[in-house]
Amino acid sequence: QKEVEQDPGPLSVPEGAIVSLNCTYSNSAFQYFMWYRQYSRKGPELLMYTYSSGNKEDGRFTAQVDKSSKYISLFIRDSQPSDSATYLCAMSAQRGSTLGRLYFGRGTQLTVWP
Amino acid sequence: DAGVTQSPTHLIKTRGQQVTLRCSPKSGHDTVSWYQQALGQGPQFIFQYYEEEERQRGNFPDRFSGHQFPNYSSELNVNALLLGDSALYLCASSLERGWVGYGYTFGSGTRLTVV
Repeated sequence: QKEVEQDPGPLSVPEGAIVSLNCTYSNSAFQYFMWYRQYSRKGPELLMYTYSSGNKEDGRFTAQVDKSSKYISLFIRDSQPSDSATYLCAMSAQRGSTLGRLYFGRGTQLTVWP
Repeated sequence: DAGVTQSPTHLIKTRGQQVTLRCSPKSGHDTVSWYQQALGQGPQFIFQYYEEEERQRGNFPDRFSGHQFPNYSSELNVNALLLGDSALYLCASSLERGWVGYGYTFGSGTRLTVV
C-alpha cells in the first residue's frame, strides 16, 4: 500500500463548477498536509497547507483534513480555465527519522473548459 | 530574491552513461532535497542534504548519489543510466531551523531523457 493515494483523474469540468480533489493516506505520523499545483513541465508550487486537522480557506480554495479518516480534500469554487493544472497532495511528519521529507500523491489532472 | 535554480533544463543521455544535475537553493535556505517525478506520477523522494551530508535517503539505488557544497548548492549524480531513469528531477530547498512541512521551494526541474 502506498503511503499516499490520489485518484489521477483526469477531471474535466466547465467553468464555474465546484471541484473536489481528494487524497487518502496511511501514516498516522503525518501532521502537515499540503496541496501543490503543477503546470506542465514546471515544478510544483505550494497552493495551500494545513497543520493537523481542520479546514482552511483562501479565496476560492478550501482545504480540509480529517485525521480520523486519514482523508484530505481540496475544494475549488467558481473554477476558472486558469485553474487547469495537475494538483498534487503532499504530506509530512513533524518529527522523527523522516522529518523534512514530503510524501506525494500521484496528482490529479484538472481541466476547466470555458 | 531568486528562487531555486536548476540546470540544465533538458538533457538527453544514452543508456549506461552518467549524468550530473545541479541546483542552487533559494537565498537563505540551507537544506536541499531531490525528487524524481516520472511521467504521470507524483514526485518521489531521492535524498536530502544538510551541512554537506546526506541526511535521509529514499528507496533509490546507489547509482544515485549527491553532493552539497559549502554555499548550499547541490548536485545529483546518476551512474549507469537506465531507460527507467527518464523523468523530471526536482530540487527543493528549505530551511533547517524551524522546519515546517510547507517550507519547501521547488525548482522547475531538469527533464532527463534516457535513450
